[in-house]
Amino acid sequence: DGGITQSPKYLFRKEGQNVTLSCEQNLNHDAMYWYRQDPGQGLRLIYYSQIVNDFQKGDIAEGYSVSREKKESFPLTVTSAQKNPTAFYLCASSAREPGDYGYTFGSGTRLTVV
Amino acid sequence: SQQGEEDPQALSIQEGENATMNCSYKTSINNLQWYRQNSGRGLVHLILIRSNEREKHSGRLRVTLDTSKKSSSLLITASRAADTASYFCATDKYDKIIFGKGTRLHILP
Repeated sequence: DGGITQSPKYLFRKEGQNVTLSCEQNLNHDAMYWYRQDPGQGLRLIYYSQIVNDFQKGDIAEGYSVSREKKESFPLTVTSAQKNPTAFYLCASSAREPGDYGYTFGSGTRLTVV
Repeated sequence: SQQGEEDPQALSIQEGENATMNCSYKTSINNLQWYRQNSGRGLVHLILIRSNEREKHSGRLRVTLDTSKKSSSLLITASRAADTASYFCATDKYDKIIFGKGTRLHILP
């Protein structure tokens, strides 16, 4: 079955460390997105990519980086510059215009700073 | 840059009752979508309504859209325990979707 796989499900980061969250999709979707979710805050867009080797900053890109070397993969790196990284991270993908087709979401990665 | 805003923030109803959630947005849209999120999980796409549609049904879900008032409502009929979740409206903005903060729905046994 097609879908989006996020790994790991839980991740712990020490202060000053960079960590990378994985997102892989086999839906042949062109666009991929990363959201951060904090309690009571809804979803905030970090980065998104509509084609391979191209991506755009979302509303809260500072302290994060991404790459899109393959259509299927859109990893997110949380750098040491992100001062408050503890959150639930969600990856999504869509076929062409998301307003027409909607998003398919992964099951999320919960990142905790220890 | 939040576009949609759900109301109420939280809702508790008895199993079997109907649940209604509302969404208001600020600028013109092409489409509006509703998603469900179970605790600690990803979001699941429920229904999409286009700006030229006024009402849409999917199983026990009924969505209405009033573009003149910039608002939408999601009605879940004959609620079940499994409907306990957060519900988000999302509106398109250029090449991405903007989500509201959601309504937390709790179905009481």
